[in-house]
Amino acid sequence: GAGVSQTPSNKVTEKGKYVELRCDPISGHTALYWYRQSLGQGPEFLIYFQGTGAADDSGLPNDRFFAVRPEGSVSTLKIQRTERGDSAVYLCASSSGTGDGGELFFGEGSRLTVL
Amino acid sequence: DQQVKQNSPSLSVQEGRISILNCDYTNSMFDYFLWYKKYPAEGPTFLISISSIKDKNEDGRFTVFLNKSAKHLSLHIVPSQPGDSAVYFCAASASGNQFYFGTGTSLTVIP
Repeated sequence: GAGVSQTPSNKVTEKGKYVELRCDPISGHTALYWYRQSLGQGPEFLIYFQGTGAADDSGLPNDRFFAVRPEGSVSTLKIQRTERGDSAVYLCASSSGTGDGGELFFGEGSRLTVL
Repeated sequence: DQQVKQNSPSLSVQEGRISILNCDYTNSMFDYFLWYKKYPAEGPTFLISISSIKDKNEDGRFTVFLNKSAKHLSLHIVPSQPGDSAVYFCAASASGNQFYFGTGTSLTVIP
């Protein structure tokens, strides 16, 4: 596609449930990022992939969060045993390489609400 | 620990005047800086960037200034237009990997 695509756009779930959020980056972009944005805050880094491997996962808040990118394209962010504090907009971005000289292209986000 | 700070949550400017959005950072290793613009219910869109080897970068109505000694950057929009009304985020990275974002400044351009 022309841009970064994220599905679902909205997800409402109950506390304790498992959630998967999908990101389809711009074709050919090797770098993929997941961010989380809470109300009134800026995007908070979660994890960064270069190709298939997670180059930096230092932003994942705890072991309930996990992300994969098995073929170096589509990525899935997985959240186990969701908590109300996980409610946020989850943003995915891709870029053509390392950030220096290449900006991030963001999707529209997946809004997660945990009841 | 907020490494990138935007201390003004909101700014209102008259159409045609200059808008100045400010950003401060704490990490001296940051060497690449970007500004993003965000409309409601959309993802952030890239606006302009600057690397640490420069102190100014201009693109049309948008100019970014970098003061490395003060660890400060600013975005100037002139002349401001109503369509510029949005939330503006600055972001910084060291060696182009993880990007740190500020909390954003909501700009309102009054017609």
